[in-house]
Amino acid sequence: QSALTQPASVSGSPGQSITISCTGTNSDVGSYNLVSWYQQHPGKAPKLMIYGVSKRPSGVSNRFSGSKSGNTASLTISGLQAEDEADYFCCSYAGSVTLVFGGGTKLTVL
Amino acid sequence: QVQLVQSGAEVKKPGASVKVSCKASGYTFTSDGISWVRQAPGQGLEWMGWISAYNGNTNYAQKLQGRVTMTTDTSTSTAYMELKSLRSDDTAVYYCARDLPQWRMDVWGQGTTVTVSS
Repeated sequence: QSALTQPASVSGSPGQSITISCTGTNSDVGSYNLVSWYQQHPGKAPKLMIYGVSKRPSGVSNRFSGSKSGNTASLTISGLQAEDEADYFCCSYAGSVTLVFGGGTKLTVL
Repeated sequence: QVQLVQSGAEVKKPGASVKVSCKASGYTFTSDGISWVRQAPGQGLEWMGWISAYNGNTNYAQKLQGRVTMTTDTSTSTAYMELKSLRSDDTAVYYCARDLPQWRMDVWGQGTTVTVSS
């Protein structure tokens, strides 16, 4: 199972919006609405930000949103804040009780 | 509150085995599954496998098949991940996470650092 493809880095200024893409195949992202996104600050455990492509867990800011088109899922963060600076990982169900992560994207808030 | 507490850091020699524990509290342990995820230094997240705390069913990442074993002890609400025949590239932080429906890992342990070095 190959890792999903994410850009290595993205950046934006406070208040702006950014989008992180996550490209898979028709065996994972394209076949299931089971894409989740995780935020990870240095030295910390990952935190669930989005699941089921576009659902937000309780307590996650509505500045975070998710979508999917074909084999590509996307995470959009609007109104960028300094505390959003972190690594972001997408994850997709890939059938037969398996999951696959993306390689991760480092978000820098300028 | 829902919490997963993992065992402490380990240092192992190549070829040895390691067993990491993950003790759950704050919820009904047998209601959900547990996924194990690892992260090599400076690298991304890698899904290792999943175990149902309800019936012990497991599924492992293909690359780890034959070396990894996941188990649970429902009497103590603890999940275990054992990795055998350790190599230097198994050096990583190992996380357990509660897996809810729709494959969302909503609560994570604090991580266990496993270092494989001769």
